[in-house]
Amino acid sequence: GENVEQHPSTLSVQEGDSAVIKCTYSDSASNYFPWYKQELGKRPQLIIDIRSNVGEKKDQRIAVTLNKTAKHFSLHITETQPEDSAVYFCAASLRVGRRALTFGSGTRLQVQP
Amino acid sequence: NAGVTQTPKFQVLKTGQSMTLQCAQDMNHNSMYWYRQDPGMGLRLIYYSASEGTTDKGEVPNGYNVSRLNKREFSLRLESAAPSQTSVYFCASSEMGRAGELFFGEGSRLTVL
Repeated sequence: GENVEQHPSTLSVQEGDSAVIKCTYSDSASNYFPWYKQELGKRPQLIIDIRSNVGEKKDQRIAVTLNKTAKHFSLHITETQPEDSAVYFCAASLRVGRRALTFGSGTRLQVQP
Repeated sequence: NAGVTQTPKFQVLKTGQSMTLQCAQDMNHNSMYWYRQDPGMGLRLIYYSASEGTTDKGEVPNGYNVSRLNKREFSLRLESAAPSQTSVYFCASSEMGRAGELFFGEGSRLTVL
């Protein structure tokens, strides 16, 4: 089955700096790569996603890049703010045509004011 | 709209006891999922139901059973609880054809003593 590895497990940055979280996946058939944000004590929520026919996608201060050849994708957050502090999860679709996601182990991002 | 509703939010069990976690969604989604979340291990798929009438095992199905009662409801049952099942359980739903865009419930924190 699919295996998703995520690094780093914790990340601390100063407010205004950029943050980068990286993930690799094992199943070359995976074609959908979302990112979820989970604030303390709350449910995970989708923040951005990318499909395999696209190399990069941006939404205001967040962006995701995908390298299908290397089977890795990354989340970039620019101009970080204290409200960006949360746990971020990457994920990959298990197989083409299936709906179940495999998640990475999560990155706890702390933005220091 | 309530979205995805899980009950109970908290539960303490003794080893060997049984219980059922209930989940209901009001978004007319076809697919529903149960994940468990443990520190440092991300979200791991227990079971999912791609559509009413079907269920499939995920990554960690042992010790659990599920029932897709109707399109709205998907329950998770622990027949004989073990301490290793202490976790936070999330139910989620998605539209068929929108791979990965999961809407999560608030989570159920289960402790098995």
